[in-house]
Amino acid sequence: QSALTQPRSVSGSPGQSVTISCTGSGSDVGGYKYVSWFQQYPGKAPRLLISDVTRRSSGVPDRFSGAKSGNTASLTISGLQAEDEAEYFCCSYAGPNTYVLFGAGTKLT
Amino acid sequence: EVQLVESGGGLVQPGDSLRLSCVASGGAFGSNAMSWVRQAPGKGLEWVSAISHNGAATYYADSVKGRFTTSRDNSNNNLFLQMNSLRAEDTATYYCVNGGWLGIFYYYYMDVWGEGTTVTVSS
Repeated sequence: QSALTQPRSVSGSPGQSVTISCTGSGSDVGGYKYVSWFQQYPGKAPRLLISDVTRRSSGVPDRFSGAKSGNTASLTISGLQAEDEAEYFCCSYAGPNTYVLFGAGTKLT
Repeated sequence: EVQLVESGGGLVQPGDSLRLSCVASGGAFGSNAMSWVRQAPGKGLEWVSAISHNGAATYYADSVKGRFTTSRDNSNNNLFLQMNSLRAEDTATYYCVNGGWLGIFYYYYMDVWGEGTTVTVSS
């Protein structure tokens, strides 16, 4: 049950765009459409941002968008704002044996 | 919206047992699958377990299989995680989460999280 692969960190300036990748396998990310993304601030619980690869949760700005190609999902944040500085985790359903896998997390500065 | 509050964390020794609880309010607890997710200090999220809405089915991560048991009491809106044979690597904040279940027609995402309860396993 290896974690999904994410870059440890990404950075950007206000107004810029960043993309965070999440690479798995055909048994998880590539095999199902059940990919989600979470945002977590230090000392706080995670917050669901994106589900079903592309669907934003209520209240999530449209600056956040999700996509998937093959075994890799991605989260793009456009028009970066200071409050976007946080850690981001991807998550995928991984079949009846492994069930759920998280990415190791990407810190956005 | 559902609100979740965990309790039961603490400092225990290796080999000890601990039971975490989570009480839900503001939603139809008995209709929702639930999950436990943990986060070791300074580390990422790790899925631990999931339980169906009625408790009839459960899933566990390999790292806890055979040691941890998830159960629920729908009459009192409670979710439990019984942790036995605790190890140092079980040290983490444990989150109670609404969702995290593949249903017949739909995947129920982890959409509501508690604030977590901290478990420390150390001699």
